[in-house]
Formats: sequence, C-alpha cells, structure tokens
Amino acid sequence: AQSVTQLDSHVSVSEGTPVLLRCNYSSSYSPSLFWYVQHPNKGLQLLLKYTSAATLVKGINGFEAEFKKSETSFHLTKPSAHMSDAAEYFCVVSGGNTPLVFGKGTRLSVIA
Amino acid sequence: DAGITQSPRHKVTETGTPVTLRCHQTENHRYMYWYRQDPGHGLRLIHYSYGVKDTDKGEVSDGYSVSRSKTEDFLLTLESATSSQTSVYFCAISESVRTGHNEKLFFGSGTQLSVL
Repeated sequence: AQSVTQLDSHVSVSEGTPVLLRCNYSSSYSPSLFWYVQHPNKGLQLLLKYTSAATLVKGINGFEAEFKKSETSFHLTKPSAHMSDAAEYFCVVSGGNTPLVFGKGTRLSVIA
Repeated sequence: DAGITQSPRHKVTETGTPVTLRCHQTENHRYMYWYRQDPGHGLRLIHYSYGVKDTDKGEVSDGYSVSRSKTEDFLLTLESATSSQTSVYFCAISESVRTGHNEKLFFGSGTQLSVL
C-alpha cells in the first residue's frame, strides 16, 4: 500500500527567499513520486516526476525535488520564491498496480 | 493543454436528486479518473476506468457510480445527492500504456457541486 504525508499544511515565505515543502512517503513498491501544483480556481498541473532515474529531479518554474530513500522523503525546493508561486502543492505517490495517492496539500503563501 | 472538458462547471442541486457529471477527452487516453477535492483532505479518488466498460472503485466510492461507454467519455453519477457530496470534482486522464498507474495525470478544470 502507498501513502504520503505532507508535513506542513501551510508555508509562508517572503518573495526572493527559498521555498521548502516537505513530503514523506510510504510504499510497498519502488515508488514513482510526483509534485503537482494547483493555482486558485484551476485544475492541477504536474511540476515534476521521479521514476528511479536520477534522485534529483528538476521541474518547471525552477522547482526541484530530491528523492531520499533512506529518509523516505521527496521534499520540494526552489531557491527564490516568486509571487506567482503562491498556490497549493500536492505530493503524490504511485507504485505497483494501484492509482496515485495524493497528500492533503500544502498551501504556499508568498509575501511581497 | 490536454483536451479535457468537464461539464457542467457549476451545479447547485437539492438533497435526494440525481446528478451526473461528464468528463470528455480528445486525447484517446486509456485511463480516466474522478477525484473529489475537499479542504484538509486533498484529492481523493472516487472511481477510475482503465478502458471502455472497465471501471473500478477508489477510496471514496460510496454513493457514486460511473460509466464509460466510449473511450472519450467518463460519467460520474450521484444517484441521490447528499450534502456531504458538496465538493469540487476533478476528472483526470492518463496515457499509461503499462498496467501501472504511474504516468502523469492531466486534469480538467473541475466542477463545483453544491447540494442544498
């Protein structure tokens, strides 16, 4: 079975400072891991995807995530936050023949 | 953007009435999903389909049924709507060609359903 825990329901950062959104996962299989972003009143969009090739995954808009098997973590980072990054972010795990499992989301606020 | 259309975009209905939401895709993708999104719960899977007439239950399937008679359409029906089914419903598609679900999802814009 797969599960994912997003450790913060809300993160607030100042514009230009680093972003860290934390995600821990559990999977009985070698997992695929994703981060999705949802801007207000929009559907979800894929930010990045890990599927066992490289442990450091680069996504769109300057985001990246590092897969750490020993820590069962897949944290999302960005060196410098922009106002347009304000959104809800979802960590997602998949493995085996089961549908994707979504975390409960982290709302990112960016303060000018 | 992937060709996914959800209809209606907004719906207000009364408790006890049937409601059908439609998801239409133009990508010819095999997998289609219905999720609901509620504050504090993230997205939860209701039902999914892996082909015409092939569907399976998700995490929160009680009170919902689905049908897929054509590759491009996936219908979600609330047989007798309840206030607990007030939510935002998202359809998603995936081009998984293997048996797993580990390909990325493309999402529709959502349907806001209010059950009074």
